[in-house]
Amino acid sequence: GQNIDQPTEMTATEGAIVQINCTYQTSGFNGLFWYQQHAGEAPTFLSYNVLDGLEEKGRFSSFLSRSKGYSYLLLKELQMKDSASYLCAVLDSNYQLIWGAGTKLIIKP
Amino acid sequence: DVKVTQSSRYLVKRTGEKVFLECVQDMDHENMFWYRQDPGLGLRLIYFSYDVKMKEKGDIPEGYSVSREKKERFSLILESASTNQTSMYLCASKSGGVETDTQYFGPGTRLTVL
Repeated sequence: GQNIDQPTEMTATEGAIVQINCTYQTSGFNGLFWYQQHAGEAPTFLSYNVLDGLEEKGRFSSFLSRSKGYSYLLLKELQMKDSASYLCAVLDSNYQLIWGAGTKLIIKP
Repeated sequence: DVKVTQSSRYLVKRTGEKVFLECVQDMDHENMFWYRQDPGLGLRLIYFSYDVKMKEKGDIPEGYSVSREKKERFSLILESASTNQTSMYLCASKSGGVETDTQYFGPGTRLTVL
């Protein structure tokens, strides 16, 4: 079966750095997405990785290792507005998105 | 900016009622999707459509049907609502040009079936 695993909840302090991990087992791989979803709102696109390595985009970076079936989202200089759920999703061999359950990130002052 | 809108943010219906959820996108996207989102579970695909009048079953189509009569509009229909269909329903759209393009989501409809 296809499976995406990410921690259910994480807590971090304002100004700090947090890493949200995602491991996957899917039938084929055509890329991995990270989305941010604030409570009661629509998921919004953060990043897409298809090659191994780190992609940096401002305070957010996303890393992929295809051989390990592993990705992480790194958030630096955390702000209160970063409190949200972070969804990991993999595009499988049929170009269908397989979604993780999401990681709820709580930022404390 | 891509805009995806859904007809209602909150909806309360009774068991056995017919429910229509409507989604409209303004970016001329070929692909449209309906998901449900439940606590502790990832987004689960109900149906998707890659063109007008075309539809494909997702992972959990039972109890649902869809309609795509116009390119910009994708409707989800619950023929006879049941309590286990209480959920957050999310619509998304994506261009058909590149398979790896991101999906754009609507704000969601929180449906409660009593």
